[in-house]
Amino acid sequence: AQSVSQHNHHVILSEAASLELGCNYSYGGTVNLFWYVQYPGQHLQLLLKYFSGDPLVKGIKGFEAEFIKSKFSFNLRKPSVQWSDTAEYFCAVATGRRALTFGSGTRLQVQP
Amino acid sequence: EAGVAQSPRYKIIEKRQSVAFWCNPISGHATLYWYQQILGQGPKLLIQFQNNGVVDDSQLPKDRFSAERLKGVDSTLKIQPAKLEDSAVYLCASSQPGIYEQYFGPGTRLTVT
Repeated sequence: AQSVSQHNHHVILSEAASLELGCNYSYGGTVNLFWYVQYPGQHLQLLLKYFSGDPLVKGIKGFEAEFIKSKFSFNLRKPSVQWSDTAEYFCAVATGRRALTFGSGTRLQVQP
Repeated sequence: EAGVAQSPRYKIIEKRQSVAFWCNPISGHATLYWYQQILGQGPKLLIQFQNNGVVDDSQLPKDRFSAERLKGVDSTLKIQPAKLEDSAVYLCASSQPGIYEQYFGPGTRLTVT
């Protein structure tokens, strides 16, 4: 069975700082990778996804993620965070049956 | 396009009581998922439906949890009897056939006292 690890549980940044959130998965076959975001009081929303092709994918609100197959990683990045990026971020992987396996999440707090 | 609807949004019950959650997916989405999200953890799949058939219920505690999706549209998840460790947010999600992208509802926050 696949699993997802997010090593940063709580990250605190100042506005304009750069962000990188780690995500590693364990699964030997073809995977589809996702980052979801949950803003305070809101439901889970898709931030970006990788299925195949260019390993650098761009999502909404200036986020991007890079799939590195050799490292089983799919790290999320943003060059300059804003206060409105304060949220919880979840990495997830889907295989054949399409149900998602989520990491434990990273709580990002951006200070103005 | 209307999103995934869930009700109730909040529920407080005592242990050993029963509770039911309802989900209405996005129109045309044949696949429906129920996830359990315990505080501090990521969502964990409980059950996946394709139309009104079960695709995966391997992580559903079948001694107390049950789910159905009559007519392949809305779905109900039931817990009977509830335990303290069932306190969590129960998320419903749906997706189009053959599509990985899932859309989530707002969730039902269950507190068992």
